[in-house]
Amino acid sequence: GENVEQHPSTLSVQEGDSAVIKCTYSDSASNYFPWYKQELGKGPQLIIDIRSNVGEKKDQRIAVTLNKTAKHFSLHITETQPEDSAVYFCAASTQGYQKVTFGTGTKLQVIP
Amino acid sequence: GAGVSQSPSNKVTEKGKDVELRCDPISGHTALYWYRQRLGQGLEFLIYFQGNSAPDKSGLPSDRFSAERTGESVSTLTIQRTQQEDSAVYLCASSRTSGTLYEQYFGPGTRLTVT
Repeated sequence: GENVEQHPSTLSVQEGDSAVIKCTYSDSASNYFPWYKQELGKGPQLIIDIRSNVGEKKDQRIAVTLNKTAKHFSLHITETQPEDSAVYFCAASTQGYQKVTFGTGTKLQVIP
Repeated sequence: GAGVSQSPSNKVTEKGKDVELRCDPISGHTALYWYRQRLGQGLEFLIYFQGNSAPDKSGLPSDRFSAERTGESVSTLTIQRTQQEDSAVYLCASSRTSGTLYEQYFGPGTRLTVT
């Protein structure tokens, strides 16, 4: 089955700096890669996703990149703000198959 | 509209007791998922429903765990003879399904503590 690894497990940045979270996956058939943000006491919420037919996607301060050859994808947050502090999960799945495999999470702390 | 709701929000039970956790998905969502999240850990897939059937039960950790879904709506996750290692947050998510994979919407979770 699919295995998703995520690094780092914790990340502290100064407000205004950029944050990068990296994930690798094992199943070459995976073609959908969502990123979720989980705030304390809440369920995860989708913030951005990317499909395998594109290499990069951007939404305001958030961007994701995908390298299918190397089987890794990354989340980039620019101009970080304190409200970006949360746990971020990457995930991978195969279109048409509903099971999503999650990474172990990255706790991001943005220091004001 | 209403999101995914779960009840109870917190459950404390004694080792050996049975517990039932409830999930109300978003209306019209045919797919429903259960995950377990241990403290400081990622999301562990438990089971997936498409309608009322469960094509993938591969994540259920033991035969003490079972789940059902009725009316393509509410789902119940039952843990029998609870053990301390069952302590975790149990998350439910739902999504639309028709061909392309759709976003999963998560509920707030049920925090289960087994004493």
